[in-house]
Amino acid sequence: VQLVESGGGLVQPGGSLRLSCVASGFTFSSYSMNWVRQAPGKGLEWVSHISSSSSTIHYADSVKGRFTISRDNAKKSLYLQMNSLRAEDTAVYYCTRLPHDYWGQGSLVTVSS
Amino acid sequence: EIVLTQSPGTLSLSPGERAILSCRASQTITNSYLAWFQQKPGQAPRLLIYAASSRASGIPDRFTGSGSGTDFTLTISRLEPEDSAVYYCQQYGSSPRMFGQGTKVEL
Repeated sequence: VQLVESGGGLVQPGGSLRLSCVASGFTFSSYSMNWVRQAPGKGLEWVSHISSSSSTIHYADSVKGRFTISRDNAKKSLYLQMNSLRAEDTAVYYCTRLPHDYWGQGSLVTVSS
Repeated sequence: EIVLTQSPGTLSLSPGERAILSCRASQTITNSYLAWFQQKPGQAPRLLIYAASSRASGIPDRFTGSGSGTDFTLTISRLEPEDSAVYYCQQYGSSPRMFGQGTKVEL
């Protein structure tokens, strides 16, 4: 099982970024997926959830209306579209397979001018 | 939303001792959907326990989860040096799937 994130980087406040997570080694379409983030030196923060068929989606209040989670089961890929980024969104973003038994290596997003 | 409060903030123990970590929820957690994670510096979190008391694959039996309702405990018996880490609980019975603030275990 492997989860590989990409798409992180430095972005200005108010900007946008799209994270991707490519899965391998398991039947991606059978599993719900989540995004979890961790600001530098801080604890874990759950960001978003998507069910296996994309029928159920949830967001943390801190990102609701700005972030959009999606998936493409044919491409075995999970996405996080992040708009209107703020300094407080600076964090390492992890994709994780439910029940959180596998995690990606993390993708650093830095929001700064 | 369900708020999780972990205690203590830091636990300083010696190898061979037992660690008892607490996770208290502000409301009853549905179906005891409570997980525990271990995170070491520079690494992704590692799942230890799910559904309050089920050990994840490959996790030593030194790690035991217990509890229900609003009070949950992670016990690490016979601490080993590699157990130095931050431990988080998370509820996944309802959204938002909040994490606790973490307990740092120092050996």
